[in-house]
Order: sequence, then C-alpha cells, then structure tokens
Amino acid sequence: AQKITQTQPGMFVQEKEAVTLDCTYDTSDPSYGLFWYKQPSSGEMIFLIYQGSYDQQNATEGRYSLNFQKARKSANLVISASQLGDSAMYFCAMSRNQGGKLIFGQGTELSVKP
Amino acid sequence: EAEVAQSPRYKITEKSQAVAFWCDPISGHATLYWYRQILGQGPELLVQFQDESVVDDSQLPKDRFSAERLKGVDSTLKIQPAELGDSAMYLCASSRNRGGTEAFFGQGTRLTVV
Repeated sequence: AQKITQTQPGMFVQEKEAVTLDCTYDTSDPSYGLFWYKQPSSGEMIFLIYQGSYDQQNATEGRYSLNFQKARKSANLVISASQLGDSAMYFCAMSRNQGGKLIFGQGTELSVKP
Repeated sequence: EAEVAQSPRYKITEKSQAVAFWCDPISGHATLYWYRQILGQGPELLVQFQDESVVDDSQLPKDRFSAERLKGVDSTLKIQPAELGDSAMYLCASSRNRGGTEAFFGQGTRLTVV
C-alpha cells in the first residue's frame, strides 16, 4: 500500500528566507508520481510541483523546488524567498504510474512572519 | 483560465437529511475525482470516474453515498441520510486523462451536519 508521511504539523519562516517542508513516502510500485499542493484558508488545492519516479533531475517551478531522494524515499519541498502569501497548508501526495488518484499526507501548516 | 466549478460552497444540513453536491470539471477532462477532507487531515478519495464510468469507489460508503456522472461531464455526489461524521470539505478534481500528471481542484463544498 502507498503511504505519505509529513512529520511537521507546523512550520514558521521569516519573510524572504527559504524553508524546507519534509515528505517521505512508501510504495512498492516502480512507477509513481509525487506532488505538492498548497491549500489556503479558502479551501482550494493549488498544484505546485510534480516529480516522476523516473525523472533524473529535481523538479523546479519558480520559487518551488522538489528535493527528490529516491533511495531515502523522500520528496521535500523547498520554497525560496518566502512571501507572506505563502502562509497556507501544504500537502505532499503520490499517485501510481505517475497519474491517477492521489494519496495525501497529513499536511504541514506554514506561517510566514514579516 | 479554466476552472473546476463546485456548488454550493457551503452547506449546513440536519442529520438524517439528504444533501447533494455538484461539480463541473474543466472542459475536455475525462477523469473526475471526488475527495473528502476531514478537518486537520489530507483529502481521501471517495470515487473516481473515467468519462461516465466508475473506476474506483472502494472508499465510498455505499450505504449512504452515491455518485453519478451520467453524460461524462458534470457530476453529483449525494449523501442520504447525512450523519454528524460526514461534516467535512468535499473536493472535486479533474485531469485530462487517467494518467494525467496534474489534477485540478475546485474550491470545495464545506458541509456541516448538525
């Protein structure tokens, strides 16, 4: 069975600094996808970044990068130059075969301080 | 920009009553998902459609929940009768195809059962 673990219930970061949100996963499938979503207080889930299990390079999208360490089964999200608008819940998720239904972690609440 | 539309945004209902949620996916997206998110947790899949067919409803409490996507476009999720434990956010998502790497989420319906 697939499982996602996010061990940080809450994180604080100073504005303009970088922050790393941890995510570890467990799966026996050779092909899978890893995702990060942001959920503001308004409720919608906003897609941030995707990493396929066969991708050789770490994914990057603007200020977001995914630190993919396959042997350690970790997929940490790095947010550079934090902004006040980054304050939200962040969810790590995975899917089989790089698509399809998502298995989510418990989430990490990020608070950015001015 | 294309969005997944959900209605209503908020719903308060008494236990034992019936309640229904509606979702209109992004045009052309064949795969539609309904997730339930209990407060403080990550979303969990209730049902997945490919066009008008159910692909996965293994976590759908079928004694009280039903879902349909009759013409393979919009979808309705129904609960009858509602129970106190059904209070949650109900999120709809769509992707272009079953193996699509990115699922787009609607703003959700926040259900409170009293």
